[in-house]
Amino acid sequence: DIVMTQSPDSLAVSLGERATINCKSSQSVVHYSHNESYLNWFQQKAGHPPKLLIYWASTRESGVPDRFSGSGSGTDFTLTISSLQSEDVAVYYCQQHYRIPITFGQGTRLEIK
Amino acid sequence: EVQLVESGGGLVQPGGSLRLSCAVSGFNANGYYIHWVRQAPGKGLEWVGRISDKGHSDTKEYAASVKDRFTVSRDDSKNLVFLQMNSLKTEDTGVYFCSRELSWRCGLWGRGTLVTVSS
Repeated sequence: DIVMTQSPDSLAVSLGERATINCKSSQSVVHYSHNESYLNWFQQKAGHPPKLLIYWASTRESGVPDRFSGSGSGTDFTLTISSLQSEDVAVYYCQQHYRIPITFGQGTRLEIK
Repeated sequence: EVQLVESGGGLVQPGGSLRLSCAVSGFNANGYYIHWVRQAPGKGLEWVGRISDKGHSDTKEYAASVKDRFTVSRDDSKNLVFLQMNSLKTEDTGVYFCSRELSWRCGLWGRGTLVTVSS
């Protein structure tokens, strides 16, 4: 199975500041015929289902604010929130959709400092 | 409206069975891969299994933790997807979500249904 490891486990950032979450996969999740990394980022607020933010490592889902961005390829990925807003308080998960079983990172809890 | 709505959760004793339903509206379930993902109380997300679209022969795949106990199926006449759960264990407790896959990502999710396995 592909193991997904996020860092840090929790993060406190001041409003308007940048938040960065890292995700590392135990093997490459690049689909060579498509030349895309099958790495997705989800946001989950308390009591709600996960919400897709970023897919293929760097493509923003429709309707997601442009302060959210994803980067990376192969095994190392980053989710960046450029200017933290109060509504961004949530747990964030990376997920590889390259190989079955699909696996998630353990989650990063983001709070306001 | 395009949506997924889970139902069928509840309290069941260890060793028991439960069938969850995912009601699909606004699109044909048999045209997409439909996944089940669960979340134990206070824990992270765990992929459970999926059923492929009709074009890929309704292929079913499962996580090792549920293989041989859980079965995903679909009723095309009712546009429903099911998760049959047998030989339930206390560690199967959690909220179960269904979601729709499009091009290697799941962008549409239901709100989930709670399963509690306890004596």
